[in-house]
Amino acid sequence: QAQLQESGPGLVRPSETLSLTCAVSGHSITSGSYWGWIRQPPGRGLEWIGTVYPGASPYYNPSLKSRVYISVDTSDNQVSLKLTSVTAADTAVYFCARTPVTTIFVFDMWGHGTSVSVSS
Amino acid sequence: QSALTQPRSVSGSPGQSVTISCTGTSSDVGGWDFVSWYQHHPGNAPKLIIYDVTERPSGVPDRFSGSKSGNTASLTISGLQAEDEANYYCCSHAGSYTLTFGGGTKLTVL
Repeated sequence: QAQLQESGPGLVRPSETLSLTCAVSGHSITSGSYWGWIRQPPGRGLEWIGTVYPGASPYYNPSLKSRVYISVDTSDNQVSLKLTSVTAADTAVYFCARTPVTTIFVFDMWGHGTSVSVSS
Repeated sequence: QSALTQPRSVSGSPGQSVTISCTGTSSDVGGWDFVSWYQHHPGNAPKLIIYDVTERPSGVPDRFSGSKSGNTASLTISGLQAEDEANYYCCSHAGSYTLTFGGGTKLTVL
């Protein structure tokens, strides 16, 4: 059973770059799964950020596309998220999740999330 | 790409049934049979309970069922149990491999 664990700085300054990693255990990151990031701002619903298949170009939320970069590190079995030029609106709990190739529009396994605040 | 519309809250007594709606457009919910539902107990990892409109992952009780009519998808939970109290989110494919979530519905078991 795969497990996903997000990590990163809990506080990021406005205009800086938010960098998070998702460590995947119990499942090879290259063995037939997509990997995605989703976030939840305080008091609000979930927002899809993007999804990547190892070796392929990522898919991004059009509203974030100009600022987001998702990549896979096969040597460390991790998925990374970078979000540039952050503002207070990027304050959220960030989740990573797995998408199986058999049903590519769902997330069947999630991490517990990591909280990020954007503040000076 | 706007968020799908869900009621902010629903409630029901143990043993009763509740239905949560998820309204989108012909570009998302109405255009694809790729609606999924997630159960989220705050502080925990969200859990997939319905995918492809009506399908249940292994291990999800058959008390949970999904349906769709036009631009509105629905999640029905029958035989409510105390442990069902959680936040529920719908999600739909919106074309060109983009996904949009609903705003979430808080289910209270009275």
